[in-house]
Amino acid sequence: GAGVSQSPRYKVAKRGQDVALRCDPISGHVSLFWYQQALGQGPEFLTYFQNEAQLDKSGLPSDRFFAERPEGSVSTLKIQRTQQEDSAVYLCASSLQLPSGTSEQFFGPGTRLTVL
Amino acid sequence: GENVEQHPSTLSVQEGDSAVIKCTYSDSASNYFPWYKQELGKRPQLIIDIRSNVGEKKDQRIAVTLNKTAKHFSLHITETQPEDSAVYFCAAPKTSYDKVIFGPGTSLSVIP
Repeated sequence: GAGVSQSPRYKVAKRGQDVALRCDPISGHVSLFWYQQALGQGPEFLTYFQNEAQLDKSGLPSDRFFAERPEGSVSTLKIQRTQQEDSAVYLCASSLQLPSGTSEQFFGPGTRLTVL
Repeated sequence: GENVEQHPSTLSVQEGDSAVIKCTYSDSASNYFPWYKQELGKRPQLIIDIRSNVGEKKDQRIAVTLNKTAKHFSLHITETQPEDSAVYFCAAPKTSYDKVIFGPGTSLSVIP
């Protein structure tokens, strides 16, 4: 079946522009995560949704970052007034939520954001 | 939250040799220990995981061992092949559906 998809795959923005990154999780997956991966670093957690509820946004680096998942499926990560330090790969992951079973996180291919 | 340390940061082995990567964690509530492999420019992929009620798990050339008392777990790759070259990340979330706090990663190079 289809995996997690993200769009666009690449985005170049001028400093100060707003960007919106989209994630289409695997159908039926309750949990959705956003991570930020800077060059040469491991992915860092940004925010987590369970269905449409944003249960954890402790990793969002500033109030310029905003995420939503209004219908519990597709999610959008929005970055306002982009800065050069926002340049990174933004990864989305989704998983089932089965306390008694495997709940592997499946990652999308990522969106590489470059802020000039 | 959990604090995960990972060693070594880089590892070079000859093809056919074994590779071992070790992680330590601080949160005693951690119950799920996944290992992710990330090839250059690709997405992280789960290669093996273990839960706290199991001490060892093996899948072909890959194995993970867990010592809950000492709060460390290790990834073992035997008979390494060039396609094993990648960055490997460990994590220690509380549950398998919790957010993943990745370790700093180990860059493994398998020399043909």
